Amino acid sequence: DVKVTQSSRYLVKRTGEKVFLECVQDMDHENMFWYRQDPGLGLRLIYFSYDVKMKEKGDIPEGYSVSREKKERFSLILESASTNQTSMYLCASSRTGGLNQPQHFGDGTRLSIL
Amino acid sequence: GDSVTQMEGPVTLSEEAFLTINCTYTATGYPSLFWYVQYPGEGLQLLLKATKADDKGSNKGFEATYRKETTSFHLEKGSVQVSDSAVYFCALGISGTYKYIFGTGTRLKVLA
Repeated sequence: DVKVTQSSRYLVKRTGEKVFLECVQDMDHENMFWYRQDPGLGLRLIYFSYDVKMKEKGDIPEGYSVSREKKERFSLILESASTNQTSMYLCASSRTGGLNQPQHFGDGTRLSIL
Repeated sequence: GDSVTQMEGPVTLSEEAFLTINCTYTATGYPSLFWYVQYPGEGLQLLLKATKADDKGSNKGFEATYRKETTSFHLEKGSVQVSDSAVYFCALGISGTYKYIFGTGTRLKVLA
C-alpha cells in the first residue's frame, strides 16, 4: 500500500513565522500535490510537482512556496504565516500515467495561525 | 471552466437505507471521474473511479456510473452501515493536465 506521511497532525504557529509542512511518500510516485481543505470550499490546489525540482502553481499559490529536492519529499512553505492560512493541509501523490491514476493522500496537518 | 457540483449535506440516513449522493460535472475533453471518502481525522481515500463513458466503478458496495449524456457520476449504495459515516468527495481529472478538481464534499451520517 502507498503511504503518504505528513510530518505533523496538528501545528500551532504565530503570525509572521515561516512555517514548513513536510510530506513523504514511499511508492516512488512522480507527482506530488499540496491542497488546503476548508469547510464549504472542498479541496483547493496550492502547488504540485511532477518531477524533482519541478513545480507548478495551483489555484491558490499566493503566500506559499514549495520545495522538491528529492523524489519522495515535497515541502510546503508559508513564507510569513497569516491568520487566513489557518486550515487543514493535505498532501497527495500519484503515479504518472494519465488521469486514470488516482491520488493517494496523507492524513492531513491541521494548522492554526495565531 | 471545468467544475464539479455535488449535493450539499449533511445527509442523514438510518442503517440499511439506500444512499444516493449526486455529482455532476463540467469538463472539456474526456475526464476521469473519482469518488473519495474521508473518515474523521483522516485524509481522503479513493473509493472508486471510472475512466470513460458508461464505465461503472464499484467498491465496498458503493457504485457510480460515468454518464456522459447527463454529465453525472452519482454515488449509490443499496444498504448503508453506521461505519459508512464520512465525507464523500466527487472529483474529476482534467484532460491534458496533472490537475484534479474536487467537489465541496457531502457529509453522510448513518444512524443505528
